Amino acid sequence: GIQVEQSPPDLILQEGANSTLRCNFSDSVNNLQWFHQNPWGQLINLFYIPSGTKQNGRLSATTVATERYSLLYISSSQTTDSGVYFCAVVPGAGNNRKLIWGLGTSLAVNP
Amino acid sequence: GAGVSQSPRYKVTKRGQDVALRCDPISGHVSLYWYRQALGQGPEFLTYFNYEAQQDKSGLPNDRFSAERPEGSISTLTIQRTEQRDSAMYRCASSLWTGAINEQYFGPGTRLTVT
Repeated sequence: GIQVEQSPPDLILQEGANSTLRCNFSDSVNNLQWFHQNPWGQLINLFYIPSGTKQNGRLSATTVATERYSLLYISSSQTTDSGVYFCAVVPGAGNNRKLIWGLGTSLAVNP
Repeated sequence: GAGVSQSPRYKVTKRGQDVALRCDPISGHVSLYWYRQALGQGPEFLTYFNYEAQQDKSGLPNDRFSAERPEGSISTLTIQRTEQRDSAMYRCASSLWTGAINEQYFGPGTRLTVT
């Protein structure tokens, strides 16, 4: 089945710094989502981005489907950005709709 | 409701007891999904429904796990004869079913602890 790899696994930033998180996937996808799991365990939708580029405030994401990767950019990081960032995909083959998840990037933003 | 809701938020049960976890999807969402997340891991798919029909149950780990969505809205995930290895966060998600677009929205989860 499809493999989803995220890097780096852990990241520590000073408040105000920028960062780039990467998600590689091993096959074609119909759906790609980025989530933020906050310290209270809530999964928050960041982007639905099977291809192209989107921006939302300090966050932006780019998916290059032909090269099988997606990037999440966080600019001017804040302590509230701390938590785990997950990339999840729906494989392109077949008619299934289940999300396959990476292991996440654990981000700590220090004041 | 405004978002996906799940109840209970926390459940502690003794080994061997049955538990029922409830999910109320976003109003109008056709598809409903169950995932399980162990500590320090990403979620793993369990099963999903379109309307009341269970489309894929390949992720249910064994026959102690079952799910239903009898009226195409609220869903219940039932675990019979719970074991300690069932302890995890159980997450429910829902999505519109509009062909290619399938953005999934998650509820707050139910943290299950089996003692």
